[in-house]
Amino acid sequence: QVHLVESGGGVVQPGGSLRLSCAASGFNFSSSGMHWVRQAPGKGLQWVAFIRYDANNKYYADSVRGRFTISRDNSKNTLSLQMNNLRAEDTAVYYCSLVALHWGQGTLVIVSS
Amino acid sequence: DIVMTQTPLSLSVTPGQPASISCKSSQSLLHSNGRTFLFWYLQKAGQSPQLLIYEVSNRFSGVPERFSGSGSGTDFTLKISRVEAEDVGVYYCMQSIQFPVTFGGGTKVEIK
Repeated sequence: QVHLVESGGGVVQPGGSLRLSCAASGFNFSSSGMHWVRQAPGKGLQWVAFIRYDANNKYYADSVRGRFTISRDNSKNTLSLQMNNLRAEDTAVYYCSLVALHWGQGTLVIVSS
Repeated sequence: DIVMTQTPLSLSVTPGQPASISCKSSQSLLHSNGRTFLFWYLQKAGQSPQLLIYEVSNRFSGVPERFSGSGSGTDFTLKISRVEAEDVGVYYCMQSIQFPVTFGGGTKVEIK
């Protein structure tokens, strides 16, 4: 059974940094592409980033490119999202997703002074 | 970027009646490999999105048969043959044929 558990969310000041993690189990993580998708309060879904199974290709939304970095550790079945220079508009629930088929429960990031 | 346009924005349905949601993409979602990368999700209140339909018309594991997807190219439809109370929530379409992955704005379904 696929299980994705996000962690690392919290409250951070504008300009600050946060690192999200997603612990994966129940499937072959090292053979699977992974997404981060976010949802601002009361808003729709917004794709953030994708990493190929071998980390050789990474893709980002224009709104986060240069500030966010997606990475993975296949030895630990863990997906990460390093978020730097955070802005108020980055406030959202962040979900990790197994090639958009399975989703975690999300972790809330609030950027506020 | 591929723009995904969903209609209607909201839908109020009597239990047992059918419902239909449209999703139109600004570019074809048909890949050269013959697959069409259009997905449908339901997000219930307070929950993460759950996959209903993948690649236009394939029901995901555990999804009731009353849900069906159809369409091709740039025009797609999600149909619920007989709406049940548990079907309330926001429905999203999504394309993943190219980056950035994009979602429709969502259709809120409620029960009359």
